[in-house]
Amino acid sequence: QVQLVESGGDLVRPGGSLRLSCTGSGFAFSDYYMTWIRQVPGKGLEFLSYISGTGNTIHYADSVQGRFTISKDKGENSMYLQMSSLRVEDTAIYYCARPLRGGGISDAFSIWGHGTRVTVSS
Amino acid sequence: DIQMTQSPSSLSASVGDRVTITCRAGQRINSYLSWYQQKPGKAPQLLIYAASTLHSGVPSRFSGSGSGPDFTLTITNLQPEDFATYYCQQSYTGISFGQGTRLEIE
Repeated sequence: QVQLVESGGDLVRPGGSLRLSCTGSGFAFSDYYMTWIRQVPGKGLEFLSYISGTGNTIHYADSVQGRFTISKDKGENSMYLQMSSLRVEDTAIYYCARPLRGGGISDAFSIWGHGTRVTVSS
Repeated sequence: DIQMTQSPSSLSASVGDRVTITCRAGQRINSYLSWYQQKPGKAPQLLIYAASTLHSGVPSRFSGSGSGPDFTLTITNLQPEDFATYYCQQSYTGISFGQGTRLEIE
């Protein structure tokens, strides 16, 4: 069964750091671009970052550029989001998502994790 | 980033109704347009991709159309389980989502 599971969400102080994980099963991460998307509770969806199957292509939204780092561990079929200099406005549910088809990012997201909650508060 | 604007932001309808949600792209996106349904506490679920292709397992009462800049999601014969929030998303240049349309029971 193809699925994604996020973990690592927590309560963290402003300025702090946190590392989120996304582990996949039923498919090979190396075949797909993988993406992080977040949602402030009660609000819309916001793209954050993607990483190619090889890990050679990475892109960030302006809102997290320079603060967040995406990476992947091919051997473990896992992806990570290292978040630093966290702000109150980073409070959200963080989802990892996989495109419908392998090979590119210009696609719909057919597989989503259940999300992990990050709360940034003093 | 390409701005995606959905309308309306919310709407009320009854079981059995037909509803249409519109998504306008701020620039050309060809047919790189997808629609998602999200229920409270759950992750979004893909309904339609490539503007009009129904994702596997999605009921045929859902349909998508348009080729830019305006796209529509139509739900015919609304069922109780269809009351949710709907998002459009473009993947032509980068990735961006509409702000969502909340479909409520009238």
